[in-house]
Amino acid sequence: SAVISQKPSRDICQRGTSLTIQCQVDSQVTMMFWYRQQPGQSLTLIATANQGSEATYESGFVIDKFPISRPNLTFSTLTVSNMSPEDSSIYLCSVTWTSGETQYFGPGTRLLVL
Amino acid sequence: QKEVEQNSGPLSVPEGAIASLNCTYSDRGSQSFFWYRQYSGKSPELIMFIYSNGDKEDGRFTAQLNKASQYVSLLIRDSQPSDSATYLCAATNTGNQFYFGTGTSLTVIP
Repeated sequence: SAVISQKPSRDICQRGTSLTIQCQVDSQVTMMFWYRQQPGQSLTLIATANQGSEATYESGFVIDKFPISRPNLTFSTLTVSNMSPEDSSIYLCSVTWTSGETQYFGPGTRLLVL
Repeated sequence: QKEVEQNSGPLSVPEGAIASLNCTYSDRGSQSFFWYRQYSGKSPELIMFIYSNGDKEDGRFTAQLNKASQYVSLLIRDSQPSDSATYLCAATNTGNQFYFGTGTSLTVIP
């Protein structure tokens, strides 16, 4: 497994602003993912963060709203842009070393948009 | 049809009993299956994974996979109040994409 940290752990933001969430891993990983978990719901994959290239977004998620960076094999950021109350959620990064194998999750970022 | 389906519960069992959690999946080509536990306000943590038909045991936990029937289950023996959490089933499809179920809420009553 890996030690995964996320910053910030929680935030309260105003409508229309943007927040960048960081995910740091203590070892190099092959794949990094960003998920959203709305209250009482399961995990929804936002995108796969690709090192050195554009992220791969799932249906319903677009780069303009959720720009993602992955400059190296241990770090990624997710920005939630032009936020609305509907973006209030927990945002989780996960990592794996092999596609289709176990994913390990960071502690999550709890976002509340007013 | 959802890729992975779980009974959302809540499921309540008395302390010391066996808790049985079930999950079905739609992609017959799915190869890997995972059970995660998520405490309230925390992120999911892996309990077990299973790839082959049959049972896989790890301490008080047993994962069961039946590919012909496309279901996977998790048994928790000697349930403890600390097992109270939401249990997420996940499967990877033929494209190695991860799909999570909606989770089953388990409460173990002292």
